[in-house]
Amino acid sequence: KAGVTQTPRYLIKTRGQQVTLSCSPISGHRSVSWYQQTPGQGLQFLFEYFSETQRNKGNFPGRFSGRQFSNSRSEMNVSTLELGDSALYLCASSLDTVKNIQYFGAGTRLSVL
Amino acid sequence: AQTVTQSQPEMSVQEAETVTLSCTYDTSENNYYLFWYKQPPSRQMILVIRQEAYKQQNATENRFSVNFQKAAKSFSLKISDSQLGDTAMYFCAFMKQQTGANNLFFGTGTRLTVIP
Repeated sequence: KAGVTQTPRYLIKTRGQQVTLSCSPISGHRSVSWYQQTPGQGLQFLFEYFSETQRNKGNFPGRFSGRQFSNSRSEMNVSTLELGDSALYLCASSLDTVKNIQYFGAGTRLSVL
Repeated sequence: AQTVTQSQPEMSVQEAETVTLSCTYDTSENNYYLFWYKQPPSRQMILVIRQEAYKQQNATENRFSVNFQKAAKSFSLKISDSQLGDTAMYFCAFMKQQTGANNLFFGTGTRLTVIP
């Protein structure tokens, strides 16, 4: 089975732009979660999607949004980029069973200049 | 709110030796999961081991085992027979056992270096 795939691997944007990151979960997984990883704040939960609905949300401003498609693929969008948005963005998928194990992709490294 | 604390920012161990990474957490939940994830330089977060809070028996996965002390809210990871490939950041994480709360709370990580 293919793992969690995130594209692109690297992105460079300038302040004020917007960006869209993509995540394809493991086949059969319906839950997709997004995390932001920075040296200063560590790993922080952004949001989770399940069956095309946002089920859970972390403490991030409204500039951060996401969606999930009927095939469980998910996208994350950040509008009006700020320098502080530079981070590694990780996506994780799970079967959402009692085991609740999340499997991570390799991440997208976003640099905002 | 849930918090996870890893008090050892960096550790090193000789190849083939044993090392223990510490993790404490704070929660008012009674049912939850605890995890150790490994993040090598490739950045891919890899699950090392998982523990369900209702199970008293400590989880083991080959060379990896945990010491889970629920009352003390402690969850340490022991790596036996350390190998060079174990060099990575290790994150302790907490998850509520609750539908719709499928998010992980992470500690700040411990950077482990295995010395040949």
